[in-house]
Amino acid sequence: GDSVTQMEGPVTLSEEAFLTINCTYTATGYPSLFWYVQYPGEGLQLLLKATKADDKGSNKGFEATYRKETTSFHLEKGSVQVSDSAVYFCALIGTGNQFYFGTGTSLTVIP
Amino acid sequence: NAGVTQTPKFQVLKTGQSMTLQCAQDMNHNSMYWYRQDPGMGLRLIYYSASEGTTDKGEVPNGYNVSRLNKREFSLRLESAAPSQTSVYFCASRRSGVDDGYTFGSGTRLTVV
Repeated sequence: GDSVTQMEGPVTLSEEAFLTINCTYTATGYPSLFWYVQYPGEGLQLLLKATKADDKGSNKGFEATYRKETTSFHLEKGSVQVSDSAVYFCALIGTGNQFYFGTGTSLTVIP
Repeated sequence: NAGVTQTPKFQVLKTGQSMTLQCAQDMNHNSMYWYRQDPGMGLRLIYYSASEGTTDKGEVPNGYNVSRLNKREFSLRLESAAPSQTSVYFCASRRSGVDDGYTFGSGTRLTVV
């Protein structure tokens, strides 16, 4: 069945470090792919998305590229800030137009 | 502001008590969802409503019931709360297109003692 696998956390980085959070997926066809962010005490917010192969989603300095050949959608940011501390969820729309979420990766950025 | 509104934000229940979590959206979305979020388990779908008048079970429906009151509102009811239902509950909505993401509410933090 459809599924999303994210790298396990927690991840701790110093401010201005480079961030990569790995995400791979299993799905039939070509699902739309998403990254959501959850700040402490809040609900999830859409960060970026990509709807077809080789698309790059971007927002707030974060980027992710839809790689069909490796079934991946890794999240990257060149220079993280303390305000990026949050939990990040990778997700896809799969069979039956249903959402499938990864388990989330917690990021803490220290000054 | 447009979005998904959940009430209450916090609730403490005793085992066996009942309560209803309310959710309303003002974006004219067709589909609405209830998730629970537990440490180390990510988000798990409880129930969803693909359109007004329909509801379906998700991954963890036991102990819950839902009502899609109209296009805007989708409530979640716990008939007899159990400590295992201590969790953070999120309501979400979306249009029904294959590219459409969710809009989430801010959550209800429920503790059952």
